[in-house]
Amino acid sequence: DGGITQSPKYLFRKEGQNVTLSCEQNLNHDAMYWYRQDPGQGLRLIYYSQIVNDFQKGDIAEGYSVSREKKESFPLTVTSAQKNPTAFYLCASSLGRGHYGYTFGSGTRLTVV
Amino acid sequence: KQEVTQIPAALSVPEGENLVLNCSFTDSAIYNLQWFRQDPGKGLTSLLLIQSSQREQTSGRLNASLDKSSGRSTLYIAASQPGDSATYLCASSSSSNTGKLIFGQGTTLQVKP
Repeated sequence: DGGITQSPKYLFRKEGQNVTLSCEQNLNHDAMYWYRQDPGQGLRLIYYSQIVNDFQKGDIAEGYSVSREKKESFPLTVTSAQKNPTAFYLCASSLGRGHYGYTFGSGTRLTVV
Repeated sequence: KQEVTQIPAALSVPEGENLVLNCSFTDSAIYNLQWFRQDPGKGLTSLLLIQSSQREQTSGRLNASLDKSSGRSTLYIAASQPGDSATYLCASSSSSNTGKLIFGQGTTLQVKP
């Protein structure tokens, strides 16, 4: 079945650590996105990529980094510069820059310990 | 800057009732409007996508409408069931070529048996 796989489902980060969240899709979608969701708030865009080897900052990119070396993969690194990383992270992909709808992964819940 | 608002934030109804969820947006220059469902701790499931040239879309007991001139979209759920209990999010896609989605904060629906 085609879809988006995010791993791990739960992730714990110590202060000062960098952690990487995985996102893989087999839908042959060109565009991929990372969103952050905090309790009681809507989703906010962190980074997006419309093509391999190219990505753009979203609304809250500070403290995060991404890469897009393969069409199928769009990993997100939460760096130690992100002061409030505890949140639910959602990866999504779309065909034609979202004009034909999005498919979301099941999310990764990151907690700082 | 596009802003998306959903009212009410929470809604509780008895089983079998027909209901309407509201979504408003400030910039009418949208490419499409999407409705998603999110169960607790899960990712988003796409329900309906309305292109800017369309007025409504239907899927089973769900009907979504779009009125660009007034900046409004509604999601109508007929004959609600306890299984419909979830958070419903609307999101607009800008007419620019980025595919970014701007999300509302969601309406949390509880359908009581």
